[in-house]
Amino acid sequence: EPEVTQTPSHQVTQMGQEVILRCVPISNHLYFYWYRQILGQKVEFLVSFYNNEISEKSEIFDDQFSVERPDGSNFTLKIRSTKLEDSAMYFCASSELSNSYEQYFGPGTRLTVT
Amino acid sequence: AQSVSQHNHHVILSEAASLELGCNYSYGGTVNLFWYVQYPGQHLQLLLKYFSGDPLVKGIKGFEAEFIKSKFSFNLRKPSVQWSDTAEYFCAVNAAGRRALTFGSGTRLQVQP
Repeated sequence: EPEVTQTPSHQVTQMGQEVILRCVPISNHLYFYWYRQILGQKVEFLVSFYNNEISEKSEIFDDQFSVERPDGSNFTLKIRSTKLEDSAMYFCASSELSNSYEQYFGPGTRLTVT
Repeated sequence: AQSVSQHNHHVILSEAASLELGCNYSYGGTVNLFWYVQYPGQHLQLLLKYFSGDPLVKGIKGFEAEFIKSKFSFNLRKPSVQWSDTAEYFCAVNAAGRRALTFGSGTRLQVQP
């Protein structure tokens, strides 16, 4: 069964550093998403991406964040200058173009900012 | 803005007991409703979804959920749980026409053999 994959599984970085989290969505999916879950809190939507542009974003997704589909398979989330409060589990998801709205989630990347 | 409440944070049941997990949402318009499950060490998986039609929806592994529009609820049920149902369960909604999911805080279910 096709799966969304994410790398790395755990990333440790120092405050102020840039990080790039990588995702490989399911191959025939056209919508891509990033969510995050701070420890002990809810899973929160960050951004959705379709046709090489952002289709929706939340208030959390400020200028420090960016997304990119650099090639035909990867989808990345970049945090330009990490803060302590960016420490969280980051989930990538993808879905088909159809109206089923069913999102398939990856296993997550645990980001720790020290 | 929409929000989702899951009132049970941690539920402990014995095998064969019946399960009902509560989910209420707050949103004035049409919504799509989902239950996701996260087994230990695994990623979020879709259990079931409701978009329209019959308000009683059946999902995988014997789970079902009922959408009650007047109560803004979408409770998850299973008549007889198994040890393998031990997991965290998340209710989620999105506004019709949008794709961003709003999640509840999750319910950790522990099934004792």
